[in-house]
Amino acid sequence: QVQLQESGPGLVKPSETLSLTCTVSGGSVSSGHYYWSWIRQPPGKGLEWIGYMSYSGSTKYNPSLKSRVTISVDTSKNQFSLKLSSVTAADTAVYYCARLSVDTTMVWYFDLWGRGTLVTVSS
Amino acid sequence: SSELTQDPAVSVALGQTVRITCQGDSLRNYYASWYQQKPGQAPVLVIYGKNNRPSGIPDRFSGSSSGNTASLTITGAQAEDEADYYCNSRDNSGDHYVFGTGTKVTVL
Repeated sequence: QVQLQESGPGLVKPSETLSLTCTVSGGSVSSGHYYWSWIRQPPGKGLEWIGYMSYSGSTKYNPSLKSRVTISVDTSKNQFSLKLSSVTAADTAVYYCARLSVDTTMVWYFDLWGRGTLVTVSS
Repeated sequence: SSELTQDPAVSVALGQTVRITCQGDSLRNYYASWYQQKPGQAPVLVIYGKNNRPSGIPDRFSGSSSGNTASLTITGAQAEDEADYYCNSRDNSGDHYVFGTGTKVTVL
């Protein structure tokens, strides 16, 4: 079965760039009908969609984060990545990678999630 | 972008029925999906589309939609259903996704 696993530093300094990677196992990041996504959740708060990228390279980002976010896919490593620049304490959150899937009626949904990784922004 | 509004908390007696609602303008055009999140765990998809359950989700979970409101109903709530529930859908542009504010369900 397909699994997702986030990895990356758990501590990032203010003004620096947060970088996370999601490894896809049991399946291919090049599969059609999937968009590879990042979602975050500040401690004690709700979920926030960050953005997605398809294997073909099309991207969409949350307008509130668009100027600081880059999502990329590395098909050779079967991974996709998140970069968030100029971080502040407000970016402290659990970051989840997730698969956005579509069914035959063109309904989209996040059907597969990683376990999440806590990233703290602090000096 | 659009907002999706949920009641912060609801409670239900064991074995009874509870409905969780999600309101937003974009729901007039797009279906919602629903996610269950237990403490310290990643969210799990429980309902998507008109009323579809992923494999392994009990049939006591069902979804519906009317106008600008999507609903998740738990019929015969169990103790293990105590969790936070989030709706999700596209925003009015159709290009972005937005999560609801979340509802904490307590099973009494």
